[in-house]
Amino acid sequence: GEDVEQSLFLSVREGDSSVINCTYTDSSSTYLYWYKQEPGAGLQLLTYIFSNMDMKQDQRLTVLLNKKDKHLSLRIADTQTGDSAIYFCAESKGSGSARQLTFGSGTQLTVLP
Amino acid sequence: GAGVSQSPSNKVTEKGKDVELRCDPISGHTALYWYRQSLGQGLEFLIYFQGNSAPDKSGLPSDRFSAERTGGSVSTLTIQRTQQEDSAVYLCASSLVGTGVNSPLHFGNGTRLTVT
Repeated sequence: GEDVEQSLFLSVREGDSSVINCTYTDSSSTYLYWYKQEPGAGLQLLTYIFSNMDMKQDQRLTVLLNKKDKHLSLRIADTQTGDSAIYFCAESKGSGSARQLTFGSGTQLTVLP
Repeated sequence: GAGVSQSPSNKVTEKGKDVELRCDPISGHTALYWYRQSLGQGLEFLIYFQGNSAPDKSGLPSDRFSAERTGGSVSTLTIQRTQQEDSAVYLCASSLVGTGVNSPLHFGNGTRLTVT
């Protein structure tokens, strides 16, 4: 199966919270990342969490990590129309300069007015 | 601009033709990555350069795919005898040194390749 899995679509109303979920398989992952891709653009790093943490908050973004279940989530508070994009979860494998990122399939977030 | 630049932004080619995709990384970034993004799928790792050498080519899907990097800067991804299944967005990313929270990946906007 896939190394990193995400659901493909999520729709929320403007002002509500969005929760995007991700599961991964590699228990040796050191860092887990969330990237955002707007239409026609490359990926932009949003936030990351180290594997020995279980939560990280950065303004409207909250990342939760359940290492036992290999489950990662991204919560966006007060979701705005500008948050509509594809969100990718990624895990970091390997070590040193050869470390690579393995990405999930991305979750298309649609924010409805 | 100071970002990763990819060209062309769009490429339509006939099946069987060769194509070259170009990536200009951020100046000073030693690591360069190529990924492929297909509809509804995640980013598929293709190849990684550290300087001009490619320690990891494991993601190249077939021998029709090759890549090089010169002067520790510009990289080209070449696809020979293109097939329809090669249609995808090809993304290039660079980072200061490898990948890590102190050396995040910076992505270009990609080249959308369509093979007819």
